[in-house]
Amino acid sequence: EDKVVQSPLSLVVHEGDTVTLNCSYEVTNFRSLLWYKQEKKAPTFLFMLTSSGIEKKSGRLSSILDKKELFSILNITATQTGDSAVYLCAVVRRGYGQNFVFGPGTRLSVLP
Amino acid sequence: NAGVTQTPKFQVLKTGQSMTLQCAQDMNHEYMSWYRQDPGMGLRLIHYSVGAGITDQGEVPNGYNVSRSTTEDFPLRLLSAAPSQTSVYFCASSSSVNTEAFFGQGTRLTVV
Repeated sequence: EDKVVQSPLSLVVHEGDTVTLNCSYEVTNFRSLLWYKQEKKAPTFLFMLTSSGIEKKSGRLSSILDKKELFSILNITATQTGDSAVYLCAVVRRGYGQNFVFGPGTRLSVLP
Repeated sequence: NAGVTQTPKFQVLKTGQSMTLQCAQDMNHEYMSWYRQDPGMGLRLIHYSVGAGITDQGEVPNGYNVSRSTTEDFPLRLLSAAPSQTSVYFCASSSSVNTEAFFGQGTRLTVV
């Protein structure tokens, strides 16, 4: 059975801290891995990763994929209270259209 | 550009009632999917479609029906609501397997 595991499930930090969120997967026919941020309602897209070792960056956020060890990390530097959200990791499998196997999410709380 | 629109935003049903959750997208996306989100379990795929007239089951399809008569619309039907179907439902769409999916704002359904 395909599965995606995220750790930690919950994390509390103070503004300015750096955090690393982890995502590991056991999925047949891997196509890509995506990170989403979910604040109150709809998940919003952060990154799509398809190749190992190539870092994607957007401002204070960055992510990288290791297809040999089957994991990805999402880094957030100099955290702000606006980073408080649930971060979702999702894997797309070949042959299933554009559909995801989601992890349970990491709930990040950034305190002022 | 409205993106992905879900209606209603909230709904309370009695056990045994039927209803349809609406999902519409105005981006001419071929791929559309329905997920349910339950605490601690992430998002799970219910049904998906790779184009008008083509649908398939996801991870948790029991108790739900879908059809895709147009590119824009992908309604989800609950045939006979059960308390176990209390959840938040998200519709998503994407243009290809190599791009991110866009999510609607969700429908919070409570079955009593």
